[in-house]
Amino acid sequence: EAQVTQNPRYLITVTGKKLTVTCSQNMNHEYMSWYRQDPGLGLRQIYYSMNVEVTDKGDVPEGYKVSRKEKRNFPLILESPSPNQTSLYFCASSLGTSGRSETQYFGPGTRLLVL
Amino acid sequence: AQSVAQPEDQVNVAEGNPLTVKCTYSVSGNPYLFWYVQYPNRGLQFLLKYITGDNLVKGSYGFEAEFNKSQTSFHLKKPSALVSDSALYFCAVRDWGLTGGGNKLTFGTGTQLKVEL
Repeated sequence: EAQVTQNPRYLITVTGKKLTVTCSQNMNHEYMSWYRQDPGLGLRQIYYSMNVEVTDKGDVPEGYKVSRKEKRNFPLILESPSPNQTSLYFCASSLGTSGRSETQYFGPGTRLLVL
Repeated sequence: AQSVAQPEDQVNVAEGNPLTVKCTYSVSGNPYLFWYVQYPNRGLQFLLKYITGDNLVKGSYGFEAEFNKSQTSFHLKKPSALVSDSALYFCAVRDWGLTGGGNKLTFGTGTQLKVEL
């Protein structure tokens, strides 16, 4: 089944304790992206990757890191989490970035609580 | 810059009645427009999109949306609502004339649809 998977689905952590949220897609998609969803703000892009070893900042990159060493994986790293990073996180991927190839497919989400 | 507005936080509809969820957008160039639905504790599911061509776009689960360039709108519609349609709906836009930013979608704040018996 074609899908985007994220782990963990739920995470409670404490301020300053490094964590990684994994994202993997099995559709051979070139483009991957991370979003965070907050009430009243919709989804905002954190980072994106056009292909392996190519990443760039989105609208709200502060406090986050990413890497794209393999095409299928795009982990989100919080080096020193803070309470304002408490949110619902979504990973998404698309075949390409133009025309009909750019529909993004989303993972199930990771709900993070930073105490 | 690209932006999306969903003017209604919540829409209530009786089952069997038609529903409309409103979306307006702003882009510098030409838009790609999308609708996604989010069920409780689930990720976003793609419903439909407008890239080019026919202004009336048909999507999953009987939903459709009409692209109106003069009104910069892309309202989501369904002729007969079901209780199972109750969910959070997001409109999103990408300006395909925008350089840089990858495939960034700009999302609205979401509209909660509640369909009652």
